[in-house]
Parts: sequence; structure tokens; C-alpha cells
Amino acid sequence: GNSVTQMEGPVTLSEEAFLTINCTYTATGYPSLFWYVQYPGEGLQLLLKATKADDKGSNKGFEATYRKETTSFHLEKGSVQVSDSAVYFCALSDGNGANNLFFGTGTRLTVIP
Amino acid sequence: GAGVSQSPSNKVTEKGKDVELRCDPISGHTALYWYRQSLGQGLEFLIYFQGNSAPDKSGLPSDRFSAERTGGSVSTLTIQRTQQEDSAVYLCASSPGGSGGWGQYFGPGTRLTVT
Repeated sequence: GNSVTQMEGPVTLSEEAFLTINCTYTATGYPSLFWYVQYPGEGLQLLLKATKADDKGSNKGFEATYRKETTSFHLEKGSVQVSDSAVYFCALSDGNGANNLFFGTGTRLTVIP
Repeated sequence: GAGVSQSPSNKVTEKGKDVELRCDPISGHTALYWYRQSLGQGLEFLIYFQGNSAPDKSGLPSDRFSAERTGGSVSTLTIQRTQQEDSAVYLCASSPGGSGGWGQYFGPGTRLTVT
């Protein structure tokens, strides 16, 4: 079956620190992988995506590389800002049928000045 | 351009009543999804519409849940005889096509509280 496992939170970092949020997946077929972000009081926003192995998705200074050999899609940012405080969700779409998203449980990030 | 919109933003209802939740997808998006987000279950897929094809209802938790999409655009999710465990945020998303690689664009959600 399809599932996503992501790092338990919450994560608290100081401004300008390096961020890694781990995400691993199990999927049938050839999944596409996504990171979504939910800022306080707002809806889910697509942050970045990768549709095949070795692709790197990037946006707003965040990056994640699709690693088929380790079934991982870890989210990284070199220098976080207070405005990055949010809940981050890793997700996959398995490319079959409905192509609905399977989400991880979410990781809450708080960045302190 | 306009994103996905949902209404109402909040709904409080008594146990046993029926509710209707509305979703307006991004114009031109052929795929539409409903999910729900709850504390105990995280984000769960409910139902999927793609163009004029029959919907994929595989995620609906019970026969009290149904959805329709009229004219390939607006969708309504109906919950009959609501129960307290139906309390959650109901999210609608749309996508340019049915292929999984597009990514999905989410509305702000409807927070449903069943008392």
C-alpha cells in the first residue's frame, strides 16, 4: 500500500539555522512526491514537488530530492526565517487511479528570533 | 487568479442533521478532490472527480457521505445524519489534470463541528 512517514515534531529552531525534515515513503507504481505547507490560520499550499527519481524540487529556499534508492524526500532549507513557522506535510501520489494524495502526519516548525 | 474557494468557512450543526459543503475549483481544472483533516486521523482522501468520468468514491467513510459535481465545476459534499465523529476540517482541492504529477491546489476548508 501507500504510506508516508515523516519526522515527528514539533521542531524549534533559531533564525538562520539549517532545517531538515525527514520523509520516507512506501508506494506502488511510480509516485510523485510533494511537500505542502500550512501557515497559521491558512490552508494547505503546495511548496514543491518532484515527479521522478533524482528530481529536485525547490521553492522559497526549500529543497527536496526524490531518492528512489532510500525511498526518501527530505525537506531542507539552509537558513530558516521566523516567517517559515508552519506545519509541513510530505505527501505522495502513486500515479494510479484517483491519484489522490497520501499525507504524512505533518511536522510543526517554530522558528524563534 | 482566483484559487479554490469553499463555503461555508465554519459550520456548527446538531447531531443527526444533514449538511452541505460547497467547493468552487480553480477555473479550467478538470480534477477535483475532497479530503478531511482531523486530529485523530490526519489528512484523509474522500472522493475524486475527473472530467465527466464516474467519481472515485473509495475514500468515503460511510454511505452517509456523498458528493456531486455539476457541470464539471462546482462540487457539493453532503453528509447525512451527522455524527460527532464527522467533526473535522473538510478540504477541497483541484488539479489541472488527472495525472498525479500536477500537484493539487487546496481551498481554505470548511470547519464542521457536530454538537
